[in-house]
Amino acid sequence: EDQVTQSPEALRLQEGESSSLNCSYTVSGLRGLFWYRQDPGKGPEFLFTLYSAGEEKEKERLKATLTKKESFLHITAPKPEDSATYLCAVQDPMNRDDKIIFGKGTRLHILP
Amino acid sequence: EAQVTQNPRYLITVTGKKLTVTCSQNMNHEYMSWYRQDPGLGLRQIYYSMNVEVTDKGDVPEGYKVSRKEKRNFPLILESPSPNQTSLYFCASSSRTEQFFGPGTRLTVL
Repeated sequence: EDQVTQSPEALRLQEGESSSLNCSYTVSGLRGLFWYRQDPGKGPEFLFTLYSAGEEKEKERLKATLTKKESFLHITAPKPEDSATYLCAVQDPMNRDDKIIFGKGTRLHILP
Repeated sequence: EAQVTQNPRYLITVTGKKLTVTCSQNMNHEYMSWYRQDPGLGLRQIYYSMNVEVTDKGDVPEGYKVSRKEKRNFPLILESPSPNQTSLYFCASSSRTEQFFGPGTRLTVL
């Protein structure tokens, strides 16, 4: 059974303190791994899609990387406005209708 | 602007009173889905649709119905809501590479 596990569940950082969020996954095959940002009470906002091990993508202070077992979302010199829950999801082509499976997220809080 | 819209955004209702949450997308996507999000449980898929007139159950379909008569619309129907359906609901519309979520509907069933 496909599984997506995100760690830590919650993370508090000082402004400017870089860190990484982890998403480990167990799938039969990987069509894509997705990262989203979600603010309280709002819908998830798409950030990145990664397709194969070794791939990296960047957007402002965020960089996502992918290996065969896990993905990292690196946050460099974060600002308070980066505070949000970050969700990871995988799409397994062996699943019926290419179902997307979500992790439970990491709640990130950046202190000014 | 590419977007997914949901209505209503907030709804308080009573047990057993049928309700419909509408969802519409303007991206011509074939794939649409409904999720509920509960504390500690994350996002769980309720129903999805691969195309017009093609729908299928997700992980938690009990108590819900959907229809897909047009490509752009994918309403979620609760025929007889119960308190355990109190949740935050999201509609999503997907291409092969991205998934766009609506703003959410916060439903309370008393």
